[in-house]
Amino acid sequence: QKEVEQNSGPLSVPEGAIASLNCTYSDRGSQSFFWYRQYSGKSPELIMSIYSNGDKEDGRFTAQLNKASQYVSLLIRDSQPSDSATYLCAVRDFGNEKLTFGTGTRLTIIP
Amino acid sequence: ETGVTQSPTHLIKTRGQQVTLRCSSQSGHNTVSWYQQALGQGPQFIFQYYREEENGRGNFPPRFSGLQFPNYSSELNVNALELDDSALYLCASSTDPFSSYNEQFFGPGTRLTVL
Repeated sequence: QKEVEQNSGPLSVPEGAIASLNCTYSDRGSQSFFWYRQYSGKSPELIMSIYSNGDKEDGRFTAQLNKASQYVSLLIRDSQPSDSATYLCAVRDFGNEKLTFGTGTRLTIIP
Repeated sequence: ETGVTQSPTHLIKTRGQQVTLRCSSQSGHNTVSWYQQALGQGPQFIFQYYREEENGRGNFPPRFSGLQFPNYSSELNVNALELDDSALYLCASSTDPFSSYNEQFFGPGTRLTVL
């Protein structure tokens, strides 16, 4: 059973601080990694994808991947109240069509 | 906005009934994947269609079936509805599913309630 694990939270971070979200996965064959943001009552929105070890930055977001340790993380710099949402980590294996999701981490930014 | 649309937005059915949910993919995308998201959980993969053929299926019973049409719009059909089928149903469109760099973009979802 392939698993993607996330701390369900809630994670509370002061406005302007760095929010750090973590995800571990069980299958070493996993090749593609994604972070989705989901506001309450809405559908998931893709915010970051990462495919190789290291860091990938996009604006205030940085995704970090460590395949040897089987974890992927998302850093949100200068956190804003609008960043309050559930963040879903998703993993896809090479040649596999499906995304396997974690249960999500609920993030609250405190003004 | 992802350009992926779903209908209807909300639906209420009773146990034992059948339901059809619809999805229109983003322009240029030939692959659609369907997911079920129960409250407080991550989306669970139901199946994927690529160029009108099923291209993988998750751990869902045969009463969950699908179609993809030549214009790449798609349907999810669920027969003999059960209470546990109450969930948010999401479709996601993408391009070549065999590429490692394939990204899936979700529609707004259909909220199904089974009474």
